[in-house]
Amino acid sequence: DIQMTQSPSALSASVGDRVSITCRASQTISTNLNWYQKRPGKAHRLLIYSASTLQGGGPSRFSGSGSGTDFTLTISSLQPEDFATYYCQQTYNIPFTFGLGTRLEIK
Amino acid sequence: QVYLQESGPGLVRPSETLSLTCTVSGGSTRSYYWSWIRQSPVKGLEWIGYVYNTGTTNYNPSLKSRVTISLDTSKNQFSLRLTSVSAADTAVYYCARSGTNWGYDPWGQGTLVTVSS
Repeated sequence: DIQMTQSPSALSASVGDRVSITCRASQTISTNLNWYQKRPGKAHRLLIYSASTLQGGGPSRFSGSGSGTDFTLTISSLQPEDFATYYCQQTYNIPFTFGLGTRLEIK
Repeated sequence: QVYLQESGPGLVRPSETLSLTCTVSGGSTRSYYWSWIRQSPVKGLEWIGYVYNTGTTNYNPSLKSRVTISLDTSKNQFSLRLTSVSAADTAVYYCARSGTNWGYDPWGQGTLVTVSS
């Protein structure tokens, strides 16, 4: 199975900050990488698919980059609703696998 | 807008079969891939498998011998069956939809299933 390693596991930031979360795959996955947001009491939300494509309706402050093994999710200016847990997922090989998550907290 | 809702028993005895249903509203199950994913504190998010509208399935090899995912387009539902459960199968189970880009959207809210005697 392809292992997905996210870092950091937790991050404290303030409203308005620019933050980045990284995800590393244990082998190349081309651009078959998705990013999700999970807020308490809400369903998981697809933010980015194919490494860099913003899901329809998603805020433009979210962006994704990377290919091969290294990927980054960037939030350009944090909003209060962005404090949540973020997960990456590879869909290059079955079984599709997820990172353990990055919890973004208010500083 | 498409909504997914999981339903089924919250408690299953060890060695028995876990059965869950996902009801799709606001859209048809006659296209897309329909998946089950679970999350536990030990393993994190774990992809279980999917069923396509043709009935084609694909499962996580670690669960393949115990899992069946099926689709009922007449009821706009799909189901998960996991046999011979143990405490390791205790998790929140989610249903989700994906297209050919393999991004999962939407997801259900999830349902907690506990395996215990």
